[in-house]
Amino acid sequence: NAGVTQTPKFQVLKTGQSMTLQCAQDMNHNSMYWYRQDPGMGLRLIYYSASEGTTDKGEVPNGYNVSRLNKREFSLRLESAAPSQTSVYFCASRTGWSGGSPLHFGNGTRLTVT
Amino acid sequence: TQLLEQSPQFLSIQEGENLTVYCNSSSVFSSLQWYRQEPGEGPVLLVTVVTGGEVKKLKRLTFQFGDARKDSSLHITAAQPGDTGLYLCAGTNTNAGKSTFGDGTTLTVKP
Repeated sequence: NAGVTQTPKFQVLKTGQSMTLQCAQDMNHNSMYWYRQDPGMGLRLIYYSASEGTTDKGEVPNGYNVSRLNKREFSLRLESAAPSQTSVYFCASRTGWSGGSPLHFGNGTRLTVT
Repeated sequence: TQLLEQSPQFLSIQEGENLTVYCNSSSVFSSLQWYRQEPGEGPVLLVTVVTGGEVKKLKRLTFQFGDARKDSSLHITAAQPGDTGLYLCAGTNTNAGKSTFGDGTTLTVKP
């Protein structure tokens, strides 16, 4: 099983450019999440989708948009990249809305904005 | 926003030593999870605790959830180089479904 697949693995953007980070899961999970990880700051939630057809803001949503394309896919878009968005981005999924089920993470997209 | 504070932030020890990592909050969580992350990879779940006072053991790792469900600890006995990594705690409330992560503890075990 592939689990959670993120593309691309690495990306370098110039300030003002746009891009979409792709995420797909093959575990039939209902809930999907986008986190960013910066040195010394753990994981911060950007956006989440409790179920297909719904999305909502997390702790740090400014500068990002998301699309829950179907049950499997959840994409994150940067419309106009800024150096402050240099980070490692992780997509995650879990079975349901309950916090007791584990989060399954992809291996991340390492984004540098110059 | 519910905050989780982890301590220590960095820990460097010799193989065979014991260690404890702490995860504290002023908020109550319905469940708390511990994850381990290796460089270049996403976090992987170690354990979930849901009951106040619960203790779970995973080989040399012992996890405890505080009685009030506001704090947790991870104790490693006889650490090995393979335990090296970033340890993250994450708290969740059932009606929210979103997990709040601590800032992590970077553990280095030297042979």
